[in-house]
Amino acid sequence: AQTVTQSQPEMSVQEAETVTLSCTYDTSENNYYLFWYKQPPSRQMILVIRQEAYKQQNATENRFSVNFQKAAKSFSLKISDSQLGDTAMYFCAFKGNNNDMRFGAGTRLTVKP
Amino acid sequence: EAGVTQSPTHLIKTRGQQATLRCSPISGHTSVYWYQQALGLGLQFLLWYDEGEERNRGNFPPRFSGRQFPNYSSELNVNALELEDSALYLCASSFKGGSTANYGYTFGSGTRLTVV
Repeated sequence: AQTVTQSQPEMSVQEAETVTLSCTYDTSENNYYLFWYKQPPSRQMILVIRQEAYKQQNATENRFSVNFQKAAKSFSLKISDSQLGDTAMYFCAFKGNNNDMRFGAGTRLTVKP
Repeated sequence: EAGVTQSPTHLIKTRGQQATLRCSPISGHTSVYWYQQALGLGLQFLLWYDEGEERNRGNFPPRFSGRQFPNYSSELNVNALELEDSALYLCASSFKGGSTANYGYTFGSGTRLTVV
């Protein structure tokens, strides 16, 4: 079974600075998909960024980018120029061949003014 | 375009009762997923339905069950409620599982179930 581990329960960053959230996963599959979701206090889960395992190039979405290390089974999220609105829970997720998505325990990120 | 809608927003039940939660997916999505998010914890996978059939279930007892209707909406039923069932229940939808596997899910805002 796939497991997703987020080792940082809480993190904080000053506004406008850069922060990196860590995620590791365990799988025997070769083709899979990885995601970062954001859950603000409104509870709505919002897709931040996704990465296909067969792509070597790291995904980027505006201020959000990932560092995908397939051999190490690592998938970290970098948030540049942090904004107050980035304050939220961030969940790393894995989706393999059986299609259902498995989530890590989350990292609570606080952006300080 | 309407997003994933869940009802009710909040639900309060007494221990031993049954709860029914509802979810309407985005138009065109045939897969519906249910997750349980206990307070301060991550999302635990409950159930996956696609085209009316249960495709997979997580490590939950049989008193957690559900179904998917011909219009792809879904119900989650929790029987014999226990205090520890209190949680946020999130529904998500996607295109048919496996055909566009790189798509993420679109989530609803959840139903907050409180068991007293």
